[in-house]
Amino acid sequence: DAKTTQPTSMDCAEGRAANLPCNHSTISGNEYVYWYRQIHSQGPQYIIHGLKNNETNEMASLIITEDRKSSTLILPHATLRDTAVYYCIVRVANGGSNYKLTFGKGTLLTVNP
Amino acid sequence: NAGVTQTPKFQVLKTGQSMTLQCAQDMNHEYMSWYRQDPGMGLRLIHYSVGAGITDQGEVPNGYNVSRSTTEDFPLRLLSAAPSQTSVYFCASTLLPPLAGGELFFGEGSRLTVL
Repeated sequence: DAKTTQPTSMDCAEGRAANLPCNHSTISGNEYVYWYRQIHSQGPQYIIHGLKNNETNEMASLIITEDRKSSTLILPHATLRDTAVYYCIVRVANGGSNYKLTFGKGTLLTVNP
Repeated sequence: NAGVTQTPKFQVLKTGQSMTLQCAQDMNHEYMSWYRQDPGMGLRLIHYSVGAGITDQGEVPNGYNVSRSTTEDFPLRLLSAAPSQTSVYFCASTLLPPLAGGELFFGEGSRLTVL
C-alpha cells in the first residue's frame, strides 16, 4: 500500500470548514483513498473513500487531485464533536487475501469554540 | 444490531499470565482483524483473517496467537503476557472485496495493562 503523509495537527473554528490534507505521491492506479477518524478512546470510524472522482456523503467531502497524488477531506461545518484524529489511508480495494489496512499516525483536528 | 463486540473492555494482567481477548461480529463479515494502539504510534495490525480457518500475520504478530473457527468470532490470545503488550486493542471486520468500499467496522476497544 502507498504511504501517506499528513500534518500532525490542525485547528479549526467551530462552524467553519475543516480542510485536512493528505499526500500520497506513490499511489497506484488501482488504489483507493480512505478516510477514517478516531474520537478519543473510541474505535476508528469510516468517513469516506474515493478512487478518482470527488466524493461527498453526509459526513464529508473528499477532493482528489487530478494526478491523484494528494487529497483533501473537507468537513463543511466543523463542530466540537468533530475533534478527533483523522487517518488517510490508500490501499487496493480488491486486495483479495492481502487485505491489510495500514493506519499511520493521522492528523489531530481540534475544533475550537 | 450489535456490530463488533469486544470483551473484556478492561483487563489487568501480571507478567507471564495468559488471556484471550474476545471479538465477535454479527454482520456475516468474512474479514476480521486485530490492531493495537499505543500512544503516538497510531494503529498497528497484529493478525487478520479472511475467513473461517484462514489467518495471517500483520505488522506486529509476535506474542499473539489467533484462530478463526467460525465466521463470527476471532479471539486474540496472549500466551505469556509482557509489559510491552500493554496497549489498547481494537478488533475490526468487513465484507471482503469486490464490494466497493470495504469499510472497516471497529469495536470499542479492550484496554490491557500488563504489570
